[in-house]
Amino acid sequence: DAKTTQPPSMDCAEGRAANLPCNHSTISGNEYVYWYRQIHSQGPQYIIHGLKNNETNEMASLIITEDRKSSTLILPHATLRDTAVYYCTITGGGNKLTFGTGTQLKVEL
Amino acid sequence: GAGVSQSPRYKVAKRGQDVALRCDPISGHVSLFWYQQALGQGPEFLTYFQNEAQLDKSGLPSDRFFAERPEGSVSTLKIQRTQQEDSAVYLCASSLNRERPLHFGNGTRLTVT
Repeated sequence: DAKTTQPPSMDCAEGRAANLPCNHSTISGNEYVYWYRQIHSQGPQYIIHGLKNNETNEMASLIITEDRKSSTLILPHATLRDTAVYYCTITGGGNKLTFGTGTQLKVEL
Repeated sequence: GAGVSQSPRYKVAKRGQDVALRCDPISGHVSLFWYQQALGQGPEFLTYFQNEAQLDKSGLPSDRFFAERPEGSVSTLKIQRTQQEDSAVYLCASSLNRERPLHFGNGTRLTVT
């Protein structure tokens, strides 16, 4: 599975959009981009995934570049409860996921 | 509905003891994964079951680690002769099948003293 690169930390003001980037330059054609988040002392929580097209659900939007080498997770109106570690993962082998160290998002008043 | 349940939530073991960690997946979920998460790191894959069949155990760090899912539902991760480096959070996840997102439990925090 392709490796991913994420910034170690980001801050966001409550109510503003949080844009979390992920680089996955070695992604291959059949590999999906998955995003999970992990709130302290809990297990990871699925957010969204995509292959080529941009995706949106009730939690977030996923923007994948045309060359598929990077993506951005967008939380449109961040709240304090969105403070968590966000993991971008790539998988082509079903849902066996390889996690990196993720981005610690801190949402502040 | 009920999510993935793991027990115990916390476990302290003396070095050399055997431990057994339990995972109750969501009912009807075919796929079951175990992950290990060290402090400050992302989860790392240990093993994967499809129903009762253990199809991938490539992530198990040593032969002291053993996992089973005999009836295709509840799974147990057993660690024999625990070492300090086994201290971590052990996460279980299940999904309807291999193509669907994973649902994680809140993990068992194992501390080996």
